[in-house]
Amino acid sequence: DSGVTQTPKHLITATGQRVTLRCSPRSGDLSVYWYQQSLDQGLQFLIQYYNGEERAKGNILERFSAQQFPDLHSELNLSSLELGDSALYFCASSVGIGGNYEQYFGPGTRLTVT
Amino acid sequence: AQTVTQSQPEMSVQEAETVTLSCTYDTSESDYYLFWYKQPPSRQMILVIRQEAYKQQNATENRFSVNFQKAAKSFSLKISDSQLGDAAMYFCAYRSAEALGKIIFGKGTRLHILP
Repeated sequence: DSGVTQTPKHLITATGQRVTLRCSPRSGDLSVYWYQQSLDQGLQFLIQYYNGEERAKGNILERFSAQQFPDLHSELNLSSLELGDSALYFCASSVGIGGNYEQYFGPGTRLTVT
Repeated sequence: AQTVTQSQPEMSVQEAETVTLSCTYDTSESDYYLFWYKQPPSRQMILVIRQEAYKQQNATENRFSVNFQKAAKSFSLKISDSQLGDAAMYFCAYRSAEALGKIIFGKGTRLHILP
């Protein structure tokens, strides 16, 4: 158990819908990362937050957005869902910002768009 | 931009034997970390081993060891005494020590353990 929690574990929804994925980082961790694992794109970085502020963006679609709240939990919002958005979404957390800090991965949320 | 390449989509090894998974990467940075992650059927991402680029000594964790060739930008994983529980997808990954910490993953190698 990494100490990072993600809810829900599984999510099934229809095209065009909007969903919210939630991540609670390890106690004391200020940085949250979101990654997407899909058959087409593999594992790719989406976005990073540190202490409530967005710090880095990767290959995140405009239909996707995220935020980190004062209690440091983070939410990833996916809207106008398409079949291709079906993937495993991971959240990871680290104490600080920067490559010197180890990232701990949550168990992931499996999103299926039908 | 940094890239990570795993050229072996699948590999098989007999139980108790040794197997080596290959990985190459490309970067212009001098300070970075390399990782091997294991993803079993549960889908959890499990850190297997980590190598700091500034360390010449190859990292070792029990039955897992790496062969880090910095000049060749090669980072292979050796699993000794393979066990059935080693069956999983293995990802080679890169993280800059100079940037904000995003991890760049290879496409993965699926390892099968034959009893």
